[in-house]
Amino acid sequence: LAKTTQPISMDSYEGQEVNITCSHNNIATNDYITWYQQFPSQGPRFIIQGYKTKVTNEVASLFIPADRKSSTLSLPRVSLSDTAVYYCLILAGNKLTFGGGTRVLVKP
Amino acid sequence: DVKVTQSSRYLVKRTGEKVFLECVQDMDHENMFWYRQDPGLGLRLIYFSYDVKMKEKGDIPEGYSVSREKKERFSLILESASTNQTSMYLCASSPTGQGWDSPLHFGNGTRLTVT
Repeated sequence: LAKTTQPISMDSYEGQEVNITCSHNNIATNDYITWYQQFPSQGPRFIIQGYKTKVTNEVASLFIPADRKSSTLSLPRVSLSDTAVYYCLILAGNKLTFGGGTRVLVKP
Repeated sequence: DVKVTQSSRYLVKRTGEKVFLECVQDMDHENMFWYRQDPGLGLRLIYFSYDVKMKEKGDIPEGYSVSREKKERFSLILESASTNQTSMYLCASSPTGQGWDSPLHFGNGTRLTVT
C-alpha cells in the first residue's frame, strides 16, 4: 500500500519561504496528493490538493514532478502563525492515512 | 463553511464504561470518519462510513464500534472503555465528489481520558 515520508521537523524565520517535500513512491495512477495543516488542540485543516504539475491557492503552492513520486508544499513568506504540523496524504487502498507529519517552527 | 461539530471537547470516563462520542456535520457530506491521535503515532483511522447505515473498518477498529443512522451524524462507541483508549478523537467528513480523495473537514476533537 502507498505510504508517505516527510521530514519530522524544520525551522524557519518570519518572511522566509518554507518548502516541505513528501515522498510517495507507490502512489497510484489516479490518486491525488493532499496537504493538511494542524494547530495544537485543533483538527487538521485542508490546505491544498493536486494531481500533477503545479497548483496554487491563496495559502500555498504545491509542486508535483512528472513521475509523481514526490511533492513539495511551498509556504511563501511565513509568519509566526504558520507554526504548525503539516501532513502529506495519499490514498492507501480506500483509506486516507496520515503519516507523522512535519512540525514547522517559525521563529521571529 | 463546512462545520463538523463534536459534542464534547473533554470527557473523563471510568474503565469499563460504555462511551459515546458524537459527531454532526452540516454540509450533507456522504463520507464520515473517526480518527484517534496520539503523540508519536499521528492520526490513525478507526472507522469510516460512506453512507447511512454503512461502515468500514479502518486501521485500528478493535474495541470500537460506530453508528450512522442519519447522514449528518456519526457516532463512535467504546463498548468497554480501557485506559489505552485515552486519546484525542477526531471526526471528519467529506463529499463523495472525488471519491476517497475528497478533502476532509475535521472537527476540533474530543480529548477522552479513561481512568
